[in-house]
Amino acid sequence: DTGVSQDPRHKITKRGQNVTFRCDPISEHNRLYWYRQTLGQGPEFLTYFQNEAQLEKSRLLSDRFSAERPKGSFSTLEIQRTEQGDSAMYLCASSPRGGNQPQHFGDGTRLSIL
Amino acid sequence: QKEVEQNSGPLSVPEGAIASLNCTYSDRGSQSFFWYRQYSGKSPELIMFIYSNGDKEDGRFTAQLNKASQYVSLLIRDSQPSDSATYLCAVKVDSSYKLIFGSGTRLLVRP
Repeated sequence: DTGVSQDPRHKITKRGQNVTFRCDPISEHNRLYWYRQTLGQGPEFLTYFQNEAQLEKSRLLSDRFSAERPKGSFSTLEIQRTEQGDSAMYLCASSPRGGNQPQHFGDGTRLSIL
Repeated sequence: QKEVEQNSGPLSVPEGAIASLNCTYSDRGSQSFFWYRQYSGKSPELIMFIYSNGDKEDGRFTAQLNKASQYVSLLIRDSQPSDSATYLCAVKVDSSYKLIFGSGTRLLVRP
């Protein structure tokens, strides 16, 4: 199996710009998760998809954030009107079907807001 | 009180020693427990997971779970300098698929 793939690895943008990140999960993993991690903290949950359905969203996911998984395969996370506080590592994870299957993380996208 | 608590460290042990990493959680509905290793600038890598009370061993790693005490630990035997990293404890509650992470414990293995 190839692992979870995320693109881009790094993104530097000016405050107020929109950014979009892509995640390709491990093949045949029907569950996909987005997390955000800042320095010195553990990852914080943002949202979860089972196939194409977005089943859970964190209160952290403000109106500026939107995530999609249109065909139940890859997913995109868009941040509109970026703010300084959005600077973080954005991590995608996937897991196979089954109650308590462990989540496997991609390498992440590091976002820096100038 | 944070939902998942870990001592931030650093925990410093000599090469060859046993490193003991601890984690407590607040939600009694927690069902699954995971340990991830994270090297600086890298993403979390799954090390162990445990669902039932007791011990689970995998090579040099042993996960221990005590649901009555809401406590989970990771033991690393014969610690190597390459084990130096931040170890993240993560908990999944029964009502959700999300993982709740602690802030991690930084482990330093001295040669």
